[in-house]
Amino acid sequence: QQPVQSPQAVILREGEDAVINCSSSKALYSVHWYRQKHGEAPVFLMILLKGGEQKGHEKISASFNEKKQQSSLYLTASQLSYSGTYFCGTELDYAGGTSYGKLTFGQGTILTVHP
Amino acid sequence: DSGVTQTPKHLITATGQRVTLRCSPRSGDLSVYWYQQSLDQGLQFLIQYYNGEERAKGNILERFSAQQFPDLHSELNLSSLELGDSALYFCASSVGLSYGYTFGSGTRLTVV
Repeated sequence: QQPVQSPQAVILREGEDAVINCSSSKALYSVHWYRQKHGEAPVFLMILLKGGEQKGHEKISASFNEKKQQSSLYLTASQLSYSGTYFCGTELDYAGGTSYGKLTFGQGTILTVHP
Repeated sequence: DSGVTQTPKHLITATGQRVTLRCSPRSGDLSVYWYQQSLDQGLQFLIQYYNGEERAKGNILERFSAQQFPDLHSELNLSSLELGDSALYFCASSVGLSYGYTFGSGTRLTVV
């Protein structure tokens, strides 16, 4: 039930855009996105709840397609500081129940931004 | 400083030994999650506590145990350590369901 992320790695030049996808085979209640820099802890970017909403955070935004159980993270006009590994974390939707906020993380997408 | 405190930052120990990792959640957060991160396995969920009660369990080995105390700090106990237990262990906390996690800086465990 681990979500699948694609691509596994992305190399960009400053100012270019990127899209990272996260796909689950199970019904989802929420999708989280985190960024982890080498040797550091993952940092929360945003959460998307069941309902197909799209959220934004400066030049980083995300969408959640509830029907397809897919989420995408959009990074526009990339900056050097965007480099790192991006993880999606999924919370399953249990009919009549809850997963208590437990997240299962994808394998990560390594994003490298060059000057 | 994320507000989640993990100690120690580094731990080197021999096979067969037992260690305790400690986590203090961010003030006001009732949920504590433990994750193991290794190069080939990514972030693997171990266990979750909410206000002192165990709420969810992942593929946590029987040699591993955890608890959350009344002051909400949590401890992860790893016993009969094996070389394969070497990894980065993260604690994260959140206010509750469907809120983002705040991760601690992790404990890097090396079993030799």
